[in-house]
Amino acid sequence: EAGVAQSPRYKIIEKRQSVAFWCNPISGHATLYWYQQILGQGPKLLIQFQNNGVVDDSQLPKDRFSAERLKGVDSTLKIQPAKLEDSAVYLCASSLADRGALNTEAFFGQGTRLTVV
Amino acid sequence: AQSVTQLDSQVPVFEEAPVELRCNYSSSVSVYLFWYVQYPNQGLQLLLKYLSGSTLVKGINGFEAEFNKSQTSFHLRKPSVHISDTAEYFCAVSFNTNAGKSTFGDGTTLTVKP
Repeated sequence: EAGVAQSPRYKIIEKRQSVAFWCNPISGHATLYWYQQILGQGPKLLIQFQNNGVVDDSQLPKDRFSAERLKGVDSTLKIQPAKLEDSAVYLCASSLADRGALNTEAFFGQGTRLTVV
Repeated sequence: AQSVTQLDSQVPVFEEAPVELRCNYSSSVSVYLFWYVQYPNQGLQLLLKYLSGSTLVKGINGFEAEFNKSQTSFHLRKPSVHISDTAEYFCAVSFNTNAGKSTFGDGTTLTVKP
C-alpha cells in the first residue's frame, strides 16, 4: 500500500515569507498528525486531526502556523510569516485510529525540510 | 506531564557487537512506550512498542526492548548489529495507545563501524 506522501521534500525561503506543506495520508486513516523536528531534537507534535476536526493543537504557534484538513483526507500546514527558528523538518503521520479506539502504529512520511534564511 | 530522556546522544559500535540504547521516562500515570528508527532523509519507522503484557518486547530487524516500571526505563537492545543499523533511534512515550500522539526523546545516533 502507498505510504504517507509529503511535498515538497525541500524548501528554502527568506524570513517573513510564507510557506505551505502538503500531506496525503494512507488511504482510510482517520487520524493525521503534523510534527516539527528541529535538528538534533526529537519530533514535537504540532497538531492532530481526527477526520476533518482538530483534536489537539495545543503546541501549534497559532500566531503564525495554521493547518487544515478540509475533506478529512489530505492536509496542509502553513507558516506565515516564517522565522529563522522555524527551520526544521516537518513530518506528517497518519494512523487508523478512531477516537477511543486502540491504536497501534502511526506511519510517517519522509518529511519536508524547511530552511529559513 | 510526561518526558523522555535518551541517555546517550551518540553510540558508536563495531559491526557484530551488541548494543544497548538507553531510554528513561517520567510520568505520573501509566504510559505506553515506543522505539522508532529514522534513516537519513527518511521518516520514522516503528521498531517496537510496549502496550501491556510481557515486559520484553521483540521488534523488527532483531531489536528488542525491556520495560522496567520500577526504573522507568525502556532500553533498546540488539545482540549483533550490522552496518545497515546505522541510523537515528527515538524513544517515545504516550499516555494512551495512540502511537501518533507521543512525546519523543531527542534521539540516539547509532553508528556501526566495520
